[in-house]
Amino acid sequence: EPEVTQTPSHQVTQMGQEVILRCVPISNHLYFYWYRQILGQKVEFLVSFYNNEISEKSEIFDDQFSVERPDGSNFTLKIRSTKLEDSAMYFCASSEVTGMNTEAFFGQGTRLTVV
Amino acid sequence: DAKTTQPNSMESNEEEPVHLPCNHSTISGTDYIHWYRQLPSQGPEYVIHGLTSNVNNRMASLAIAEDRKSSTLILHRATLRDAAVYYCILGYYNEKLTFGTGTRLTIIP
Repeated sequence: EPEVTQTPSHQVTQMGQEVILRCVPISNHLYFYWYRQILGQKVEFLVSFYNNEISEKSEIFDDQFSVERPDGSNFTLKIRSTKLEDSAMYFCASSEVTGMNTEAFFGQGTRLTVV
Repeated sequence: DAKTTQPNSMESNEEEPVHLPCNHSTISGTDYIHWYRQLPSQGPEYVIHGLTSNVNNRMASLAIAEDRKSSTLILHRATLRDAAVYYCILGYYNEKLTFGTGTRLTIIP
């Protein structure tokens, strides 16, 4: 069964450092998403991406965050200057089409720890 | 986004059916009803979705009330692997999924 792959599984970084979280979506999917989940809290939407541009972003997704699809397979989330409160599980997801008449496939997540 | 209400937690015995309820009294006519689940330490996983009619797939069944103000996710024979948080999510042509707190399902061996 096709799957969304995320690397690394766990990243520890110092406050103020830049981190890049990587995702390989399912190959024929066109829509890509990042979500995050702070320990013990809800899964929160960060950003959606289609046709090489952001289609929607949440209030969380401020200027410290950026996304990129640098080639035909990878989808990355960059946090420029990490804060302690950025510590969370980050999930990448992809879907064939957008909208609610479809399913999103999620990766296993990257646990980001900012110290 | 339309709001859903789910019990915080439920328990079920292994190998028995499980009925997970979801109330969505403010659902609009074009909102789809989606169910996702999140196993411990894993990403969310799609379970099933529907609009008006009941739906079945290999994982579960979705029973939708005639007035669409509520729905029930049915796991026909629960296994230990079904222990997870189950999320009922509404939306129409909305790219993002809005997760609530869901129902934490515990399976008793």
